[in-house]
Amino acid sequence: GENVEQHPSTLSVQEGDSAVIKCTYSDSASNYFPWYKQELGKRPQLIIDIRSNVGEKKDQRIAVTLNKTAKHFSLHITETQPEDSAVYFCAAGGREDNNNDMRFGAGTRLTVKP
Amino acid sequence: NAGVTQTPKFRVLKTGQSMTLLCAQDMNHEYMYWYRQDPGMGLRLIHYSVGEGTTAKGEVPDGYNVSRLKKQNFLLGLESAAPSQTSVYFCAGGDQDTDTQYFGPGTRLTVL
Repeated sequence: GENVEQHPSTLSVQEGDSAVIKCTYSDSASNYFPWYKQELGKRPQLIIDIRSNVGEKKDQRIAVTLNKTAKHFSLHITETQPEDSAVYFCAAGGREDNNNDMRFGAGTRLTVKP
Repeated sequence: NAGVTQTPKFRVLKTGQSMTLLCAQDMNHEYMYWYRQDPGMGLRLIHYSVGEGTTAKGEVPDGYNVSRLKKQNFLLGLESAAPSQTSVYFCAGGDQDTDTQYFGPGTRLTVL
């Protein structure tokens, strides 16, 4: 089955700096890679996703890149703000033959210092 | 629309007790999922359903059962709770076309 590894587990940056979180996956058939943000005590919320036919996707200060050959994808947050502080999860899945079974990384706790 | 909702929000059980967690959605999601979230381990899939009347095992199904008698509801049952099942449980709804999953607010379960 799919196995997703996420690094780093914690990340601290100064406000205004960039933050990068990386994930690797094992199943080359996975074709959907979402990123979720979870604030303390809240539900995970989708912030951006990418499919295997695209190498990069951007939404304002957030971007995701995908390298299918190397089986890794990354989340990039530019001009970080204190409200970006949260736990971020990557996931891999979307295989039609396993009913979209999604596997998540262990999460990255991002702290943005004012 | 309320989206994906879960009841109860909190529950404390004693070892050996049983309970059912309810997930409801009004977004017409075809697929529904139950996850558990433990510190440092992300979200792990327990069971899921691809349609009314269907269920399937996920990554960590042991000790849990599920039912999807109606499209809008997905129930997670613990027949004999164990302390290892202390966790935060999240339900999610999704669709085959988009792959995106939308999460409920979670249920914090403590088994003493």
